[in-house]
Amino acid sequence: EAGVAQSPRYKIIEKRQSVAFWCNPISGHATLYWYQQILGQGPKLLIQFQNNGVVDDSQLPKDRFSAERLKGVDSTLKIQPAKLEDSAVYLCASSLGSSRPTDTQYFGPGTRLTVL
Amino acid sequence: AQSVTQLGSHVSVSEGALVLLRCNYSSSVPPYLFWYVQYPNQGLQLLLKYTTGATLVKGINGFEAEFKKSETSFHLTKPSAHMSDAAEYFCAVSEGTGGFKTIFGAGTRLFVKA
Repeated sequence: EAGVAQSPRYKIIEKRQSVAFWCNPISGHATLYWYQQILGQGPKLLIQFQNNGVVDDSQLPKDRFSAERLKGVDSTLKIQPAKLEDSAVYLCASSLGSSRPTDTQYFGPGTRLTVL
Repeated sequence: AQSVTQLGSHVSVSEGALVLLRCNYSSSVPPYLFWYVQYPNQGLQLLLKYTTGATLVKGINGFEAEFKKSETSFHLTKPSAHMSDAAEYFCAVSEGTGGFKTIFGAGTRLFVKA
């Protein structure tokens, strides 16, 4: 079974530029998550989709971050414009069920973003 | 509100020694608890989880954890450390009241000495 795929793996940009990350979850998984992991911290949920609807985006900085999940499969996360404090690893995860707290989340390898 | 505290950002053990990684949580309702492991340049992988039932949970790679409600703890143990156990370990809690959110601890990096 293929895992969660993310691209690119690494990205370096200058502040005020824009950047987009892509995620392809495990086939058949209904729920998709985007996390931000700052160095030395645990992952922090940015947004959670169930199929193509948003379940929770309360911690997404909506003035600069946006995300979509078209057709309930792939997802993109965009930052525009980027700030220095956005430097982090962005993790995508998926789970089989429809937003159940007991579900196991399967994580992709992440995209390491450096903002200069 | 949920929170997770992992005691010790770094833990070092000798190969063959007991591994003990500590996790305490706060939750207003019975929690669901998880331990994930992250190897360098990889995503997180589930080690084990507690949902309901038996409080001693066995996971992959010889790890286990015990849910102690009275102590609000979910410590991770392994009787004998192996070099391949060197990684970062995250404790997490989810609550299931309507919508849910998974909160992760800050992580504990495990070093294993030969």
